[in-house]
Amino acid sequence: EIVLTQSPGTLSLSPGERATLSCRASQSVSSSYLAWYQQKPGQAPRLLIYGASSRATGIPDRFSGSGSGTDFTLTISRLEPEDFAVYYCQQYGSSPRWTFGQGTKVEIK
Amino acid sequence: EVQLLESGGGLVQPGGSLRLSCAASGFTFSSYAMSWVRQAPGKGLEWVSAISGSGGSTYYADSVKGRFTISRDNSKNTLYLQMNSLRAEDTAVYYCAKENIVVVPAAMVTYYYGMDVWGQGTTVTVSS
Repeated sequence: EIVLTQSPGTLSLSPGERATLSCRASQSVSSSYLAWYQQKPGQAPRLLIYGASSRATGIPDRFSGSGSGTDFTLTISRLEPEDFAVYYCQQYGSSPRWTFGQGTKVEIK
Repeated sequence: EVQLLESGGGLVQPGGSLRLSCAASGFTFSSYAMSWVRQAPGKGLEWVSAISGSGGSTYYADSVKGRFTISRDNSKNTLYLQMNSLRAEDTAVYYCAKENIVVVPAAMVTYYYGMDVWGQGTTVTVSS
């Protein structure tokens, strides 16, 4: 069973700063099958990144994804006020077929 | 506009049953796999179940296997989740999500583009 571990649990940053979020898999994950989501309080999640590095429709280019194998990263180059939220990585394909990480909260410092 | 609208949540006693629905619009429903994802109060996202576009293949998380049944009616553009033998730990907001998966059988390749559309969620509370 693949487990996704996200770190840190909470990231305290100021607007304009760079955010680097990590997602580590317990087994190798195809980069084609790694996605990232953003969730704000009281809202449904929103797809940000698929295929480890491809931005979903309408996602600003300050969001970027990278990584392969067991280590993946979501980077927000310059935090905007609307970027403070919880971010989840997710894998598709290995048992269980779909898995989410536990999330990283990006909060205003 | 592409949209998913869940319904059917509510308060149910432990051991009881509930059926959730997810009405889809704005896309060719039968062409896409669909998932249910839940979020317990104050917790993260947990994938629950998925179904292929035709309905011929279904998948479940171990935590719900044998208790929950996913189905779809492509003539009604509606996804369902039948939940039986409910437990307190099933208390959560339940989201339906459109899976953007493209399978190319001839090339034996599957492309995954993520859960690209989500509903607003419906709340299920299991309590006596």
